[in-house]
Amino acid sequence: QVQLVESGGGVVQPGGSLRVSCATSGFTFTNFGMHWVRQAPGKGLEWVAVIWYDGSKKFYADSVKGRFTISRDDSKKTLSLQMNSLRAEDTAIYYCARDQRSNYYDYWGQGTLVTVSS
Amino acid sequence: IQLTQSPSSLSASVGDRVTITCRASQGISSSYLAWYQQKPGKAPNLLIYAASTLQSGVPSRFSGSGSGTDFTLTISGLQPEDFATYYCQQLNTFGGTFGQGTKVEIK
Repeated sequence: QVQLVESGGGVVQPGGSLRVSCATSGFTFTNFGMHWVRQAPGKGLEWVAVIWYDGSKKFYADSVKGRFTISRDDSKKTLSLQMNSLRAEDTAIYYCARDQRSNYYDYWGQGTLVTVSS
Repeated sequence: IQLTQSPSSLSASVGDRVTITCRASQGISSSYLAWYQQKPGKAPNLLIYAASTLQSGVPSRFSGSGSGTDFTLTISGLQPEDFATYYCQQLNTFGGTFGQGTKVEIK
């Protein structure tokens, strides 16, 4: 069965860096684009970034552009998000999600909490 | 494209028929409209895609309809496990956007 498992969340000071990862299994990783979506405490869902199935294209929300980098390691079937210059407003649960033909996200991980606080 | 859901919250009883509306700030293709359910402490779960196609494993009491700028999610016969927050999503524009969510609570 398809599984997405995030890890790497934690507490980081403003201006700091953190890398979160998403380990996948149960499907052919190289056939699918992957997304990061975040949810601030008590708030709604916000798309963060996407990487194409072959890694050839990457796109970011304006709110994270220039600070976050999405990547994938096909040999490990793992998606990552490197987050630099973190701000308090980046505090959120970060979910990875599988893209289905750019029409919807059919599988989500359980999320990992990133807290930016001094 | 902005998505506005209404209502933001509602109270309903088991067995009720519930309708949630998602209005887009401009027309979108039905192919790019999806609905998700999220329970507290859990990840979102896909219910409906392409505006009206039920995801595998989702109960048939859930249905979706609409086109252009107006879309609806209907739950026919609310069950205890349906109390949750529901989000619409459009992927007509790159990256997409989510509605602000509709919380369905027990009356």
